[in-house]
Amino acid sequence: LAKTTQPISMDSYEGQEVNITCSHNNIATNDYITWYQQFPSQGPRFIIQGYKTKVTNEVASLFIPADRKSSTLSLPRVSLSDTAVYYCLVGDPGLAGANNLFFGTGTRLTVIP
Amino acid sequence: GAGVSQSPRYKVAKRGQDVALRCDPISGHVSLFWYQQALGQGPEFLTYFQNEAQLDKSGLPSDRFFAERPEGSVSTLKIQRTQQEDSAVYLCASSSGLAAYEQYFGPGTRLTVT
Repeated sequence: LAKTTQPISMDSYEGQEVNITCSHNNIATNDYITWYQQFPSQGPRFIIQGYKTKVTNEVASLFIPADRKSSTLSLPRVSLSDTAVYYCLVGDPGLAGANNLFFGTGTRLTVIP
Repeated sequence: GAGVSQSPRYKVAKRGQDVALRCDPISGHVSLFWYQQALGQGPEFLTYFQNEAQLDKSGLPSDRFFAERPEGSVSTLKIQRTQQEDSAVYLCASSSGLAAYEQYFGPGTRLTVT
């Protein structure tokens, strides 16, 4: 059973805010939510991580409701260079293993001029 | 360099050959991970090292796959008797802590088995 569900693809125009939602109904108490970005021919790049409420950094914001059964990655004012695959991971950072480091197929974001 | 490096970047092997893929993690990073990424799919966990100890190898697909990190820095992923289904990008990542909070990935090695 997949730990996370996210849309396969999304399109957005340049300059718009993009919100990618990830569902994780079976999230455990010790689980954190982590998002990675991957460009073609590159390894994934860490974007943001959170446990609850809201986390913001220079790149994105992560919104996590009180029940933690979903989360939303928000990218402000996207540009063409934000075209990439975005992965949502849910797991206990204190553990390794396939269950805690499950990337899934991600969301392919295409930014249109 | 400041990042994770992997070599070779591309490898073509004939079916049945053995291959060795190298990963140089960020200096001082305790944790090291290997992943396999098939075309159009997300990375799949293979194995995890904490220093020189291989703490989790549950993702290795068969006993033809072997990984080591003898001195707690550089790691090698070895695949014996390669098969066509082994064709994929092999990614290495390292992390500064004892946990998988934030991983830094290398560019990967694209393995093609013919």
